[in-house]
Amino acid sequence: DAGVTQSPTHLIKTRGQQVTLRCSPKSGHDTVSWYQQALGQGPQFIFQYYEEEERQRGNFPDRFSGHQFPNYSSELNVNALLLGDSALYLCASSLGIHEQYFGPGTRLTVT
Amino acid sequence: AQTVTQSQPEMSVQEAETVTLSCTYDTSESDYYLFWYKQPPSRQMILVIRQEAYKQQNATENRFSVNFQKAAKSFSLKISDSQLGDAAMYFCAAPLFGNEKLTFGTGTRLTIIP
Repeated sequence: DAGVTQSPTHLIKTRGQQVTLRCSPKSGHDTVSWYQQALGQGPQFIFQYYEEEERQRGNFPDRFSGHQFPNYSSELNVNALLLGDSALYLCASSLGIHEQYFGPGTRLTVT
Repeated sequence: AQTVTQSQPEMSVQEAETVTLSCTYDTSESDYYLFWYKQPPSRQMILVIRQEAYKQQNATENRFSVNFQKAAKSFSLKISDSQLGDAAMYFCAAPLFGNEKLTFGTGTRLTIIP
């Protein structure tokens, strides 16, 4: 049974560019949440998708957007990248509001 | 303000000994889950244990157990018979703003001394 997978593993982008990160949830899970983890800090909630709609959103600007597909996989898009967007981006899946299982993350570096 | 607080940035314990990591939280939710996650250097966030707030019995998962004090809003993690593989950052997480959204503490770095 595959767990949560994320791609790519690492990514280097330049300020002002746009990036798309991808996540496939654990088999049987229908809810995907995205978190940003800056170095030395705990993860910060970005948003959560359920039934292809954004159900809840954290304190992140509109430059951060997402999508969930009918197969429950999800994408996180970040536009107009800033240096401060450099972080580990974690995807977590769950069945409804139960415990969330995390993927290995995507390390984004903005130069 | 609704927060999750881990007051111990770093802890160390001798191999085979017991260590307790502290966590306090503040939520207006009446029914919720609490979680401890482990993040080793490989950076994968691994679920260690969960506690359902409506259950008075403390959760146990092999060598890991919690001391949940709902009135005090305290949720500590006890690791018994510590092993080298337990070395990691440990994060406490609680749904402070609705059960869909987890708020994490700042983490406790646990070192195991051989």
